[in-house]
Amino acid sequence: SQQGEEDPQALSIQEGENATMNCSYKTSINNLQWYRQNSGRGLVHLILIRSNEREKHSGRLRVTLDTSKKSSSLLITASRAADTASYFCATRDSSYKLIFGSGTRLLVRP
Amino acid sequence: DTAVSQTPKYLVTQMGNDKSIKCEQNLGHDTMYWYKQDSKKFLKIMFSYNNKELIINETVPNRFSPKSPDKAHLNLHINSLELGDSAVYFCASSRGLAGGLNEQFFGPGTRLTVL
Repeated sequence: SQQGEEDPQALSIQEGENATMNCSYKTSINNLQWYRQNSGRGLVHLILIRSNEREKHSGRLRVTLDTSKKSSSLLITASRAADTASYFCATRDSSYKLIFGSGTRLLVRP
Repeated sequence: DTAVSQTPKYLVTQMGNDKSIKCEQNLGHDTMYWYKQDSKKFLKIMFSYNNKELIINETVPNRFSPKSPDKAHLNLHINSLELGDSAVYFCASSRGLAGGLNEQFFGPGTRLTVL
């Protein structure tokens, strides 16, 4: 069954603006991961946040996790045209499965 | 130097045929996976192998049979292909077991079209 739901489904912004994507999940998690998928390509891991962490940074990426609300957000600052892609959250629970959300399609206009 | 490679990249075939997709990883990882991504981009795990042993087998028709000859390879054989099998299939690998704190590395995908 699908664990994560991203919001919004699609986002269009101007280059230089910030992009915020949200992810909600249903059950207790071990960690939450964000992946990027460029059109016609495989997924690329961006960042992992553990269930006991609240915020994590990697370059222009900032991820927050609120386990009480079962939600996470991914912020991309100073977006570039090359950030155009689909972004997925994925949660790993006590089983061996990584369960992906439905994705947010981000379009960064030059 | 491709980390996770899949062949073929595109596969177009008739309903009822049998086809295979191959996957190889050169990362030295212990665990490999097959995912199916449908037309709405929803990605769902199908199988996972750890050191050649099946550890995840989701509710997948038994027309799909994975085979892992060694821990660097995980192939997917599909019998009696149906229209609904059309999708993009991704292979992935990770260090250790999927339940750990390990990212997954994905192959470029195989776009299967069943006519």
